[in-house]
Amino acid sequence: SQQGEEDPQALSIQEGENATMNCSYKTSINNLQWYRQNSGRGLVHLILIRSNEREKHSGRLRVTLDTSKKSSSLLITASRAADTASYFCAARNSGNTPLVFGKGTRLSVIA
Amino acid sequence: DAEITQSPRHKITETGRQVTLACHQTWNHNNMFWYRQDLGHGLRLIHYSYGVQDTNKGEVSDGYSVSRSNTEDLPLTLESAASSQTSVYFCASSVGTGGTGELFFGEGSRLTVL
Repeated sequence: SQQGEEDPQALSIQEGENATMNCSYKTSINNLQWYRQNSGRGLVHLILIRSNEREKHSGRLRVTLDTSKKSSSLLITASRAADTASYFCAARNSGNTPLVFGKGTRLSVIA
Repeated sequence: DAEITQSPRHKITETGRQVTLACHQTWNHNNMFWYRQDLGHGLRLIHYSYGVQDTNKGEVSDGYSVSRSNTEDLPLTLESAASSQTSVYFCASSVGTGGTGELFFGEGSRLTVL
């Protein structure tokens, strides 16, 4: 069963705009991670946020975590056409369990 | 550079045949995972291993098996391929205890079962 569920399923924006993707999860987590997948390729890790962190930045990426609402968001600022990809959140439950992925958000950035 | 490689990248097989997908990583990571990716389902965990001789079932393990005889390899075997196993398969690895860290993914193996 999915631990993370992304919203929206698809998002289309103009180059230069910000893109926000949301992720909700079901149970207590150890950490939450975001991955990117270009068409036909494997997933690439973007950022990890631990359960005791509320916000994290990496370049144009900003991730927030609200454990009371069991939700996270990924913000990509000043988007570029090269940001076009699918984005997945993945959560790791407390304990010794592997990451469970959501179904992803397909982001299209139009030049 | 260290890497994780999957082979074959594309395979077409017939129902009932045995198929093995290879996964090889050169990072010396303890943890290795197999996921399948299907439209509408995202990535679902098939099997995983936290070290040599350790294997565990994931969410969708029926019809699949793995073995871990060394650190570098985790081959995935479909004992008797079924059309429902047509999918893209991803292998991943990570370092650390119990798979706590980030996953490094291979480029995927696209399997078609006719």
